Amino acid sequence: DTGVSQDPRHKITKRGQNVTFRCDPISEHNRLYWYRQTLGQGPEFLTYFQNEAQLEKSRLLSDRFSAERPKGSFSTLEIQRTEQGDSAMYLCASSLTSGRGSREQFFGPGTRLTVL
Amino acid sequence: GNSVTQMEGPVTLSEEAFLTINCTYTATGYPSLFWYVQYPGEGLQLLLKATKADDKGSNKGFEATYRKETTSFHLEKGSVQVSDSAVYFCALTNMDSNYQLIWGAGTKLIIKP
Repeated sequence: DTGVSQDPRHKITKRGQNVTFRCDPISEHNRLYWYRQTLGQGPEFLTYFQNEAQLEKSRLLSDRFSAERPKGSFSTLEIQRTEQGDSAMYLCASSLTSGRGSREQFFGPGTRLTVL
Repeated sequence: GNSVTQMEGPVTLSEEAFLTINCTYTATGYPSLFWYVQYPGEGLQLLLKATKADDKGSNKGFEATYRKETTSFHLEKGSVQVSDSAVYFCALTNMDSNYQLIWGAGTKLIIKP
């Protein structure tokens, strides 16, 4: 297992277009997280899944953002009608969580989105 | 609620200097504490962790001790290298946050040769 992977690594799109990112977590991890990070800032939580269930979504997250994890393995994050303010690094992380608590989150390399 | 406070950066040091980056937290119960590092142009990597009071996490010459009495988890390294230049994030998780990471703002470290 090579860790968390994300695809694509870079995406340039025009304002108003839709984009979709994919994240493949570490195989035995049941939790998957999406974050957004802009230059010089820390990660901003977007949403997370436990298995296939989306358990929480940031209140700051626009309705243009949607995420899925249909089979409890990989996840997709879609942004509809992109805006220039959506330009950021989109990070995915996974962890193993049980009744005893949660182990650390492991991050993928991120997808850098540029909206022109 | 839960929160993490880190010293502001950038922190600029000469090679082989001693490093301390302060981190304090507010949390209920018994959080787990983490330091993540982000090298220029790269994603976040877990540097070290501690899951209970008095635990010391260590990796790549970095150390941090979980101090419950002072609610701190300061990052230290005895002799820094240019390659340590990066942004360092302190973070915690606990049951109250449903094990989501609560992040500090990050501290940029610049090491000059």
